Amino acid sequence: DTGVSQDPRHKITKRGQNVTFRCDPISEHNRLYWYRQTLGQGPEFLTYFQNEAQLEKSRLLSDRFSAERPKGSFSTLEIQRTEQGDSAMYLCASSFYPGLQETQYFGPGTRLLVL
Amino acid sequence: GESVGLHLPTLSVQEGDNSIINCAYSNSASDYFIWYKQESGKGPQFIIDIRSNMDKRQGQRVTVLLNKTVKHLSLQIAATQPGDSAVYFCAERDNQFYFGTGTSLTVIP
Repeated sequence: DTGVSQDPRHKITKRGQNVTFRCDPISEHNRLYWYRQTLGQGPEFLTYFQNEAQLEKSRLLSDRFSAERPKGSFSTLEIQRTEQGDSAMYLCASSFYPGLQETQYFGPGTRLLVL
Repeated sequence: GESVGLHLPTLSVQEGDNSIINCAYSNSASDYFIWYKQESGKGPQFIIDIRSNMDKRQGQRVTVLLNKTVKHLSLQIAATQPGDSAVYFCAERDNQFYFGTGTSLTVIP
């Protein structure tokens, strides 16, 4: 297994456009997390799935953000009507749960720039 | 919300010296902690983890110490190398994961 992969690695869009990112987790992992990271900050939790069920969403997450994991494998994160404040690195991580040591493994991230 | 913070935002060490990166957390219910290393333009890379029922765990050149009394976590890197230069994050788990701001480690050759 090559680890967590994300696509695209970079995305430049104009304000108001919709964007969609994809994450492919490590194959045997049942949990998948989305985070947002801005410069100089740690990753900020957005949402996570266990298999195909979305178990939690951050209260800070705008309704312009939606995520899916339809078959319990890859996941997509869509941002509608992008704003300049959405510019950030979007990170995906996967893990196996249950596990006392639920080690998350991160992908390389998708860097979004909204002009 | 949770508060996971780092005592020092930057740290510079001489190559070959030991490095210590500290982290304070606020949630007594957190049961699991992870240290990550993040290089510029890359995703965080797992370094070492520790469960709340432990106070020390060692890996290759790295040691994590957990002091639940004062809610403090530290990462010790032995014989620091230039390749260790990166930003280091601690994360705690209480249902979801919470990350600190990060400490930037610079290794001086």
